[in-house]
Amino acid sequence: GDSVTQMEGPVTLSEEAFLTINCTYTATGYPSLFWYVQYPGEGLQLLLKATKADDKGSNKGFEATYRKETTSFHLEKGSVQVSDSAVYFCALSDSSNTGKLIFGQGTTLQVKP
Amino acid sequence: DAGVIQSPRHEVTEMGQEVTLRCKPISGHNSLFWYRQTMMRGLELLIYFNNNVPIDDSGMPEDRFSAKMPNASFSTLKIQPSEPRDSAVYFCASSRGSGNTIYFGEGSWLTVV
Repeated sequence: GDSVTQMEGPVTLSEEAFLTINCTYTATGYPSLFWYVQYPGEGLQLLLKATKADDKGSNKGFEATYRKETTSFHLEKGSVQVSDSAVYFCALSDSSNTGKLIFGQGTTLQVKP
Repeated sequence: DAGVIQSPRHEVTEMGQEVTLRCKPISGHNSLFWYRQTMMRGLELLIYFNNNVPIDDSGMPEDRFSAKMPNASFSTLKIQPSEPRDSAVYFCASSRGSGNTIYFGEGSWLTVV
């Protein structure tokens, strides 16, 4: 079945460092891909998405490009801030076109001043 | 517009008691999802509804769990009897349907002692 694999955390960075969180997926079709962010004590918020190959999603300085050839959707940010500390989830829309999302296990990011 | 509204935000209950979690999806959304989040298992889809009809409940852990959606603006997730291993954050989410962004509520934090 469809699945998402994220790099294990926690990821600890200093402020202004470059961030990459790896995400790869397995799917029988052409899913849409998403990154959600969860701040402490809150629900998940959509960070960005891409709906087809080579699309780049971007928001709040974060970017991710839908790479069909490598089945990847890595999250990047050029300069992280302390306020970016959160758990990041990669997800795909399942191939059966039901609208439900399949999530990776989440990667915790901690940014230190 | 109001987001997905869940209640209660926090609940502590004793083993064996009935727990009812409530959700009001975003107006106009016709898909509703219940997810459970734990440290061990991450985010798991329990059940989802489309146009108030349960489509897939294969993620519901066992018969102690039940979910209803009597109308387009309300859903409940019930656990009876509750057990300590049910302690988790339960998220409700909604969307306009397949391919559209899923919006999450802030979660119901359940502790069963």
